[in-house]
Amino acid sequence: QPVLTQSPSASASLGASVKLTCTLSSGHSSYAIAWHQQQPEKGPRFLMKVNSDGSHIKGDGIPDRFSGSSSGAERYLSISSLQSEDEADYYCQTWSTDINWVFGGGTKVTVL
Amino acid sequence: EVQLVESGGGLVKPGGSPRLSCVTSGFRFSSYAMSWVRQAPGKGLEWVSGISGSGSTYYADSVKGRVTISRDNSKNTVYLQMNSLRPEDTAVYYCAKDLGPWEPDAFDIWGQGTMVAVSS
Repeated sequence: QPVLTQSPSASASLGASVKLTCTLSSGHSSYAIAWHQQQPEKGPRFLMKVNSDGSHIKGDGIPDRFSGSSSGAERYLSISSLQSEDEADYYCQTWSTDINWVFGGGTKVTVL
Repeated sequence: EVQLVESGGGLVKPGGSPRLSCVTSGFRFSSYAMSWVRQAPGKGLEWVSGISGSGSTYYADSVKGRVTISRDNSKNTVYLQMNSLRPEDTAVYYCAKDLGPWEPDAFDIWGQGTMVAVSS
């Protein structure tokens, strides 16, 4: 069963960029993942699905500032032109018929 | 517009058996897997249980044997029957829809959540 590893925290200045990483455990580098955003005191929101080839499908209304990419077992979420409302927890998720559904531990993004 | 609306949470005594409901609208419900995900206070997201469009069920080890997921395609509703609740089951419970039909996929729509607090 795959494990998703995320750094606990990240920070960047208002207007800057930040790149979050979600690492798939050994043997699972072909898995697609999804990124979800959870703003304080709110429920999660789907941002995008990122495939192993780096292609991605965004959720409705997700700004162009958010983009996804892949390299090997790593999946990335890049946020450019950071806004105050981007301060949130970001979770990655994967799935399959074998493992069902799995979440990473989440990364807390602070906008300085 | 796709919507998921959970209900059934509240204050429950240890050992209690609440049933959570998630009423959906705006998509072909019977074609999509649905899941329940929980979040304990101050913690991350934890997948609890899922059910395919055809009714196959899946459970996390942490709840296996204590919860039952089901769906009523005529009512566009998914349920989570919880039994033998423990204080560590205290969490906000979210309903979530799969992005694509038939096969397991990312969650693309989330409900607003319903809080279950287990305490005597």
